[in-house]
Amino acid sequence: NAGVTQTPKFQVLKTGQSMTLQCAQDMNHNSMYWYRQDPGMGLRLIYYSASEGTTDKGEVPNGYNVSRLNKREFSLRLESAAPSQTSVYFCASSDRGQVTQYFGPGTRLLVL
Amino acid sequence: GDSVTQMEGPVTLSEEAFLTINCTYTATGYPSLFWYVQYPGEGLQLLLKATKADDKGSNKGFEATYRKETTSFHLEKGSVQVSDSAVYFCALSVNTGGFKTIFGAGTRLFVKA
Repeated sequence: NAGVTQTPKFQVLKTGQSMTLQCAQDMNHNSMYWYRQDPGMGLRLIYYSASEGTTDKGEVPNGYNVSRLNKREFSLRLESAAPSQTSVYFCASSDRGQVTQYFGPGTRLLVL
Repeated sequence: GDSVTQMEGPVTLSEEAFLTINCTYTATGYPSLFWYVQYPGEGLQLLLKATKADDKGSNKGFEATYRKETTSFHLEKGSVQVSDSAVYFCALSVNTGGFKTIFGAGTRLFVKA
């Protein structure tokens, strides 16, 4: 039981490049989330998926897209990376009707 | 809108000292309240939670009481250890059709031997 896994762990991009961050959970959770963590700002919600087949914008969705590929997987795509997207990205999941979220280990992204 | 405010860090304590990290919140309705902990290089993990007023959450010697009258959920531990060094996040969750969780900025704790 791995919980929530994220790949890659670390990535360096040049401005304008694209990439996809992968997230998978093996807890059969319905809801999944993408956050970014910046110093002094806590975690901010980028997108979430309440259930398979649905996605919704969070607090800071601009510059990102998501895909809920199936119940297990929720990917985050940066189409044209910008230095302002340098951050640590966390994926999380939660069960239906449950408030507790379970987090992956994070992806550290540096955009030059 | 809903928000969480927690004390700025870093907080530096000696081993066996008493810890308090203050957290206050603003929310419509009746939120659930949480403390999450992030150890170096890892994701967040739930430390404790409380789902209604006057509930006390506790885990690993940490505790926090949901105070509706003061809109607070302060984290306390009677005797900290070096292994408690981490970043602590206060959070609230409200049911808006699905659950939306809002995090505070985090408080870094250093415990010296």
